[in-house]
Amino acid sequence: AQSVTQLDSQVPVFEEAPVELRCNYSSSVSVYLFWYVQYPNQGLQLLLKYLSGSTLVKGINGFEAEFNKSQTSFHLRKPSVHISDTAEYFCAVRAPGAQKLVFGQGTRLTINP
Amino acid sequence: NAGVTQTPKFQVLKTGQSMTLQCAQDMNHNSMYWYRQDPGMGLRLIYYSASEGTTDKGEVPNGYNVSRLNKREFSLRLESAAPSQTSVYFCASSEAGQRNTEAFFGQGTRLTVV
Repeated sequence: AQSVTQLDSQVPVFEEAPVELRCNYSSSVSVYLFWYVQYPNQGLQLLLKYLSGSTLVKGINGFEAEFNKSQTSFHLRKPSVHISDTAEYFCAVRAPGAQKLVFGQGTRLTINP
Repeated sequence: NAGVTQTPKFQVLKTGQSMTLQCAQDMNHNSMYWYRQDPGMGLRLIYYSASEGTTDKGEVPNGYNVSRLNKREFSLRLESAAPSQTSVYFCASSEAGQRNTEAFFGQGTRLTVV
């Protein structure tokens, strides 16, 4: 069975600093990988996804993630964060053709001025 | 462009009461899902429907029932609400089969059971 581990439950950073949110997955098959963002009191919005091809994936709002098959990781990065990036971020995995999308526990990103 | 619409947005129930959460999508997706979100636990799948007329249990189905009314609508019913069902509930939809990549989410229903 697939599982996702987000290594940090909370990440505080200063505005304009870089940030990395870590995600590791376990699966014996090829996978699709996703990062979703949830702003306060809202639903989940897709930030970016990896299906195949280039291991560096660029998403919305200046975020990017790198798929590393050997380390089974899909870490999310942004070189310079803004106050508006304050949100909870979820990593998720799905096997191609499978129904279930499995989520990690979430990482709460807090941006301090 | 509505996407996935959930009603109601907020609800308070007394223990033992029943209610149905409604979900509709206008993206012509085959697959629909119900998740619950609890602090520190991410999103956990309650039930899903791969296509009209089919439903399957997810990770935490106990205490819930679902109905895939048609291709657009997928409802979640709590027959006898318990405080442990206090949570935020999300409905989602996606394409089917090999085109099934990301899921699209509604805005959520915040349910409190007292």
